[in-house]
Amino acid sequence: DTGVSQDPRHKITKRGQNVTFRCDPISEHNRLYWYRQTLGQGPEFLTYFQNEAQLEKSRLLSDRFSAERPKGSFSTLEIQRTEQGDSAMYLCASSLVEGPGGELFFGEGSRLTVL
Amino acid sequence: GENVEQHPSTLSVQEGDSAVIKCTYSDSASNYFPWYKQELGKRPQLIIDIRSNVGEKKDQRIAVTLNKTAKHFSLHITETQPEDSAVYFCAAHIPNDMRFGAGTRLTVKP
Repeated sequence: DTGVSQDPRHKITKRGQNVTFRCDPISEHNRLYWYRQTLGQGPEFLTYFQNEAQLEKSRLLSDRFSAERPKGSFSTLEIQRTEQGDSAMYLCASSLVEGPGGELFFGEGSRLTVL
Repeated sequence: GENVEQHPSTLSVQEGDSAVIKCTYSDSASNYFPWYKQELGKRPQLIIDIRSNVGEKKDQRIAVTLNKTAKHFSLHITETQPEDSAVYFCAAHIPNDMRFGAGTRLTVKP
């Protein structure tokens, strides 16, 4: 499968614990996005990378969230001191920049449940 | 930042009827408007998109229209089929950002 892959698919954790999600984009894609999706809502933008550079981060993102893409390939999203409100599906998407806009290819998501 | 509003939140149609979903955006710099379909438990997938230099685009039973002056764009599905049932998201893209609407849950009744 040469699509976007995310790991783990499901994570259950206790409040206060740290969690880390990994995303492997389509290999030639230079843009990588993280979104959060809760039930009945559209994907909410968190952050995005072009190659290894983090170019934008949502103002809604607290300091407990951090993302990296160290070599411009895979990315990790870490949530520290998780809260129940962090429970959501975390979606990763990648795209190949070709002028304005570009199709996002989404992964299957990592579902986080904070107890 | 960009703000995208989508209506209606739910839509139920009879098989064979048409369905229309509308979105508005706030940032006049938005230049790319994709529509994604998300079936239950699956990832969002692109179904059609339109760029700001085009007013309408069709792909078989699906069409999208864009009114840049009014800052709104719409998805039209004709001859709906039960397999069209899903949640549909519009999005608006500016050079460094892609924002999604809240989604429309479309149900096509046989």
